[in-house]
Amino acid sequence: DIQMTQSPSSLSASVGDRVTITCRASQGISNYFAWYQQKPGKVPKLLIYAASTLQSGVPSRFSGSGSGTDFTLTISSLQPEDVATYYCQKYNSAPFTFGPGTKVDIK
Amino acid sequence: EVQLVESGGGLVQPGGSLRLSCAASGFTFSDYAMHWVRQAPGKGLEYVSAISSNGDSTYYANSVKGRFTISRDNSKNTLYLQMGSLRAEDMAVYYCARDPYYHDSSGPSGAFDIWGQGTMVTVSS
Repeated sequence: DIQMTQSPSSLSASVGDRVTITCRASQGISNYFAWYQQKPGKVPKLLIYAASTLQSGVPSRFSGSGSGTDFTLTISSLQPEDVATYYCQKYNSAPFTFGPGTKVDIK
Repeated sequence: EVQLVESGGGLVQPGGSLRLSCAASGFTFSDYAMHWVRQAPGKGLEYVSAISSNGDSTYYANSVKGRFTISRDNSKNTLYLQMGSLRAEDMAVYYCARDPYYHDSSGPSGAFDIWGQGTMVTVSS
């Protein structure tokens, strides 16, 4: 099975900072790739699919890039409401594995 | 409003069984594949199982294969997860999620755009 890794596992940044999270697949998955946001005590929410397409209603400060094995989620200007854990997911074939998550908080 | 509502969670003894349900509303349930994802307390998301839109194709993670059964009733707009031989490591919040593309385990799904609120399964004696 393809493994998903994320880095960093956690980060702390100031409001307004640019934040970058990376995810790596152990084998190529084309762009069958998504990012999810899970705020504390809440349900996961789809942010980005097909590696770079913003889900409807998601603020434009979120962006995604990458293809193959390496992917990036960028928050251009971190806001207090972005405090959450961010998960990547591959969906090229089963199992549709999630990464271990990156916890983002405000410094 | 597009909605998924899980139910059926609770306390069960090790070795016991439980059936989870996920009721869909606000969209044409039979047009979508469905998945179960779980999250142990304080842990990350773990993929559990998939079923195609017509129920013909299913997939199970190795951790639950042979113990869990996914099914659906499109006439009732409901997804199920029958869980058996439960272990302490099965204790988690179980989420259902929809996907417009999954057909079988050899091919892609779509991203999971709608999730239920989750139902907690506690395995303890």
